[in-house]
Amino acid sequence: AQRVTQPEKLLSVFKGAPVELKCNYSYSGSPELFWYVQYSRQRLQLLLRHISRESIKGFTADLNKGETSFHLKKPFAQEEDSAMYYCALKGGGADGLTFGKGTHLIIQP
Amino acid sequence: EAEVAQSPRYKITEKSQAVAFWCDPISGHATLYWYRQILGQGPELLVQFQDESVVDDSQLPKDRFSAERLKGVDSTLKIQPAELGDSAMYLCASTGLAGIEQFFGPGTRLTVL
Repeated sequence: AQRVTQPEKLLSVFKGAPVELKCNYSYSGSPELFWYVQYSRQRLQLLLRHISRESIKGFTADLNKGETSFHLKKPFAQEEDSAMYYCALKGGGADGLTFGKGTHLIIQP
Repeated sequence: EAEVAQSPRYKITEKSQAVAFWCDPISGHATLYWYRQILGQGPELLVQFQDESVVDDSQLPKDRFSAERLKGVDSTLKIQPAELGDSAMYLCASTGLAGIEQFFGPGTRLTVL
C-alpha cells in the first residue's frame, strides 16, 4: 500500500528564515511526487512536481529515493507563503493521488 | 480562466437522509476525480472516471455511496443514507490529456447532524 507521511502538522517560522516541510513516502515502484498548496479561502492547487525539477515561488523539492523523501524547501520565507501544504504521490495504474495529512505553514512577520 | 465548478458549496443534512453533490470539470478534461477530506486530514480518493467509465472506485463505500458521469462531462456523487462520519469536504478534480496537474474545485462541505 502506498502512503505519504508529513510529520509536522504545524510549522511556524519567521519571515526571512529558511523553510523545510518534510515528506516521506512508502511505495514499492517509482512514484511521481507532488506538492499541492492551499492558501486561505482558495482551492487546492499544484505547487510543483518532482519530474519538472523547477523552482516555483522560490520553493524546490528533490526526490530522494534512498530516503524515500520529497522535502519542500525555501531559503527565505515570505509572509505570503503562509498556507496548508500537502505532499502527494501518484503510483500504479490509476492516477488518483495519495495525499499526506498536510502541514500548516505560518510565516511570522 | 476555466475552473472546476461544484455545487452546493455547503450542505447540512440529518443522518439517514440522501445527499447529492455535483461537479462540472474544466471543459475537455476527460479524467474526473472525487476526493473526501475529513477535517485535519489530506484528501482521500473516492472514485476516478475516465470519460464516462469508472477507472478506480476501490475506496468508495459502495453500500451507501454512488457516483456517475453519464455523458462523460459533469458528475454526481450521492450518499444514501448519510451517516455522522460522512461529515467532510468533498472535492472534485479534473485533468486534461497530459494528466499532469489535477485542477480542484472549491469543494462541498457536508455536515451530517
